[in-house]
This record gives sequence, C-alpha cells and structure tokens, in this order.
Amino acid sequence: EVQLVESGGGLVQPGRSLRLSCTASGFTFGDHGMSWFRQAPGKGLEWVGFVRSKAYGGTAEYAASVKGRFTILRDEFKSIAYLQMNNLKSEDTALYYCCRGLLGGLEIWGQGTMVTVSS
Amino acid sequence: DIVMTQAPLSLSVTPGQPASISCKSSQSLLHSDGKTYLYWYLQKPGQPPQLLIYEVSNRFSGVPDRFSGSGSGTDFTLKISRVEAEDVGVYYCMQSIQLPPLTFGGGTKVEIK
Repeated sequence: EVQLVESGGGLVQPGRSLRLSCTASGFTFGDHGMSWFRQAPGKGLEWVGFVRSKAYGGTAEYAASVKGRFTILRDEFKSIAYLQMNNLKSEDTALYYCCRGLLGGLEIWGQGTMVTVSS
Repeated sequence: DIVMTQAPLSLSVTPGQPASISCKSSQSLLHSDGKTYLYWYLQKPGQPPQLLIYEVSNRFSGVPDRFSGSGSGTDFTLKISRVEAEDVGVYYCMQSIQLPPLTFGGGTKVEIK
C-alpha cells in the first residue's frame, strides 16, 4: 500500500526549531519529488515547499513565508522527506501534510502532523 | 503570485440536486505545452485533501462520474451532477502553472440540507 506518514509535530516555543518527518512506503521514493503543505486551524491550504527527486537535482523551492527558515531534505535510504523548521513563529501553527509529487496531480497525502507554536 | 478566487464560499445542497463551484485565476493557466494546470481537490472533514480533477477536466482514478470539471484560461467550474451525502467537505481549486508558489483558492464548503 502506498502510504505517507508524518511525524514530529508538537508544541514548541517561538524562535525554536522542529523537524518533521514524512516516511514513505509502498512506492519507489527516489522516483518522486515530495511536497509539504500546511493548514492553519480553520483555514485553507497553503503550499510550504517541495524537494525534487535526485534525478532532477534534488533541489527545493519554498513559499515566501518560510523561505530562509524552513528546509526540505530527503533521505533516499530511509525513504523519508524532512521539513526542518527554524525560528518558528506563531503563524506557523498548523497541521502539516506531506505529499508525493511536486505539481498539480497530487494523489498521495499523509494524514498530517500538528505543529503548535506558543509560549 | 497567481491568485485563485473561488465562489461561493459555501453551498447547502439537497441530496440529488446539482452543485457548481467557480474558480477564477488572476492569470491564464494555459501553458505553452497545451496543458492547463488547474486542479480540484476535496477535503472531507478530518481528512487530508484528495485529488478529484486534474488539468481542468480529467477525473482522477476512482472519482465518480457525477464530478466534472470545465473551463479554460482563467475561468473554471467544478460541477456535481447529483450531490450525495459523501460529497460534503471543502473543495479547493489549485494552480501549478507558475511556482513558486503553488496556490489554492480559498475553498468552498459544501454541506447537505
């Protein structure tokens, strides 16, 4: 079964860091780019960024709201995509989803992991 | 950034009746490769989004044929021919012709009367 499972969320103080993991199974991880999205409580969907597959350079792109603070990495051996979040702000409070793919036809999503930034 | 605008904000529909959601983009979503990069997602309560329609009018695998997408350029529509109870949730349109960032509409909440 093709599956994505996010983990690593929790309560964190403003200014601190957190690393989310997205563990993939049921497909060849290296063949796919991976994306992260978030959804603040009661709000709509927001794209956070993506990392391309190694075949396409393994480079990443980010939303302006997180650029310079967030980094998306991938571990091909463990089939995990990471979202490293530094200097967290209250406005980063959201449910974070990872997703297989980069562009529009995003067919595989995880269930999400909640991040709460609060003192 | 391309701004995606959906209407209406919410819909209350009697089962078996049709529903229609509009999505307008601030720029054309037609690419030089001939494809139009407009997608529709449904987020059911407590669940992640699920892909319904890709490239304007193509139903994703397993999506019932009561869902249909149409439009071109900057104006798009998602139609549900006969709404069923399982169709409740928030519908989002999304563009991926220009990124970063990939952008979504604000969402349309569909509920059953």
